[in-house]
Amino acid sequence: DAKTTQPPSMDCAEGRAANLPCNHSTISGNEYVYWYRQIHSQGPQYIIHGLKNNETNEMASLIITEDRKSSTLILPHATLRDTAVYYCIVRLHTGANSKLTFGKGITLSVRP
Amino acid sequence: DAGVIQSPRHEVTEMGQEVTLRCKPISGHDYLFWYRQTMMRGLELLIYFNNNVPIDDSGMPEDRFSAKMPNASFSTLKIQPSEPRDSAVYFCASGTSGSYEQYFGPGTRLTVT
Repeated sequence: DAKTTQPPSMDCAEGRAANLPCNHSTISGNEYVYWYRQIHSQGPQYIIHGLKNNETNEMASLIITEDRKSSTLILPHATLRDTAVYYCIVRLHTGANSKLTFGKGITLSVRP
Repeated sequence: DAGVIQSPRHEVTEMGQEVTLRCKPISGHDYLFWYRQTMMRGLELLIYFNNNVPIDDSGMPEDRFSAKMPNASFSTLKIQPSEPRDSAVYFCASGTSGSYEQYFGPGTRLTVT
């Protein structure tokens, strides 16, 4: 699985959009981009994933650049409960049938 | 659905003692994963099962660690003998090949003194 690079931390104001970047310059054509988050003292939680097209669900949007070397997770209206560590993961499989390789993630702090 | 259930939630034990962590996956899930999280190493996979059969145990640190899945609704992770460096949060996760996400339990915080 390709390696990802994320800044260690960022913050944003409550109610504003949080844009979390991820670099995956060595991604191969059949690898997916996944995002998970971990709220303090809880297990990781799936957010969203994509291959090449932009994706949106009830939690977030995922924007993948055309060359697929980077992506951005967007939380459109961040709340205090979105304060967490966000992990960008690149993996071959789309299913739950293989391991997740977590990096250090990015710590998002949402301020009132 | 109750989600992935782990027990105990907290465990404090002395070095040299045997520790058993338990996991009940979500009903119908055929994949089960054990992860460990420490400040130094982050989140790392220890072992995972498919249909109760171990598929990849390359992350199991050493012979002191063993994992079993006797049936589709129960798995154990055993450490014998435990050492202080085993102190960590151990997460169990489950999923299916037809789903794209793994569902994590709340974790077991293990402290070995």
